[in-house]
Amino acid sequence: EVQVVESGGGLVKPGGSLRLSCAASGFTFSGYSMNWVRQAPGKGLEWVASIGSSSGYIYYADSVKGRFTISRDNAKNSLYLQMNSLRAEDTAVYYCARGSEWVLGVSDHWGQGTLVTLSS
Amino acid sequence: ETVLTQSPGTLSLSPGERATLSCRASQSISGSYLAWYQHKPGQAPRLLIYGASSRATGIPDRFSGSGSGTDFTLTISRLEPEDFAVYYCQQYGRSPFTFGQGTKLEIQ
Repeated sequence: EVQVVESGGGLVKPGGSLRLSCAASGFTFSGYSMNWVRQAPGKGLEWVASIGSSSGYIYYADSVKGRFTISRDNAKNSLYLQMNSLRAEDTAVYYCARGSEWVLGVSDHWGQGTLVTLSS
Repeated sequence: ETVLTQSPGTLSLSPGERATLSCRASQSISGSYLAWYQHKPGQAPRLLIYGASSRATGIPDRFSGSGSGTDFTLTISRLEPEDFAVYYCQQYGRSPFTFGQGTKLEIQ
């Protein structure tokens, strides 16, 4: 069974940093692209970042470019999102999602999400 | 950036009825790289349709997608009680891989 499980969320002050992790199982992690998507309270889904299967392709939303870094460790079946210079508007549930074997962006299996809250 | 506009914002229907949800793009989506997701409160989003018209694994055939270019449609032929949720379209033809604002399908 395909599973992705996020961790690392929590309460952080504006300007601070946080690193989210996503543990994948039930599929050949190194064969798939991966995505981070978030949902702010009361808002819709917002795509955050995508990474290709071998990290050769990486894309970010303009709202996080230069502050967030997506990375992966295929040996550990893990995806990461390093978030720096956090702002109040980054408060959201962050979802890790398995992408496609062939294209970036689409997500076919999602985790339950991890909550990131910005507050001073 | 490709902006996706979903309509209507809210759709009120009864079980057994047909639902038609629209997603319009600000520019043509290359390769018909358009997906539809279902999202219920407190749950993970669920992929329904990819490539504009291909059903994801395990999705019932009452869900269908159509369209190309800038106009796309998700149709639910006969609504079941579990289908009431928020639906999002997403384009993945060109980064940034934007989502629409969502359509809330509620029970009338």
